[in-house]
Amino acid sequence: DGGITQSPKYLFRKEGQNVTLSCEQNLNHDAMYWYRQDPGQGLRLIYYSQIVNDFQKGDIAEGYSVSREKKESFPLTVTSAQKNPTAFYLCASRHVRTGELFFGEGSRLTVL
Amino acid sequence: DAKTTQPPSMDCAEGRAANLPCNHSTISGNEYVYWYRQIHSQGPQYIIHGLKNNETNEMASLIITEDRKSSTLILPHATLRDTAVYYCIVLSIQGAQKLVFGQGTRLTINP
Repeated sequence: DGGITQSPKYLFRKEGQNVTLSCEQNLNHDAMYWYRQDPGQGLRLIYYSQIVNDFQKGDIAEGYSVSREKKESFPLTVTSAQKNPTAFYLCASRHVRTGELFFGEGSRLTVL
Repeated sequence: DAKTTQPPSMDCAEGRAANLPCNHSTISGNEYVYWYRQIHSQGPQYIIHGLKNNETNEMASLIITEDRKSSTLILPHATLRDTAVYYCIVLSIQGAQKLVFGQGTRLTINP
């Protein structure tokens, strides 16, 4: 079935380590997004991408990096520069005709 | 900043209609209103969207005011499984956009 797959679902890292969250979609969507969610809060936009090899910063891009080398993939790297990385991370892609957003199940990152 | 405002929380009795309001006074002519809901620790789920006419599907109805500055999502017969955070966002159909979500409305369905 078509959809968005995020991995890993749970991830633990030590302070000072970089970690990469995977987001893969087989929906043939051009636009992809990364959001961060803290407990009891809404979704905050980290980065988004319209096409391959192009991406834009969202509201909270500091301490994060992304790449878009393939249409299907939009990995997010949480760098050691991110001061408070413990959060729930959501990836989404967007249907070009209807505009509907499709979300993955999320990755929960905990920094020890 | 989000282009929508919603009440932070609402309660509704099971079996009754839940009416969730959303204000989007700066909506542009080519922007649609979309509703999503998020059940705890899951990715948000699409519910419905509309431009200016009222819309209905198997999950909900969407009522958009004539001036398009506000809308209401209606869950006609709320069940306990409808307890979730509901997000209203506005966006145009095409093009890359900085899709910003507000805080949403935490809807609690009470037995």
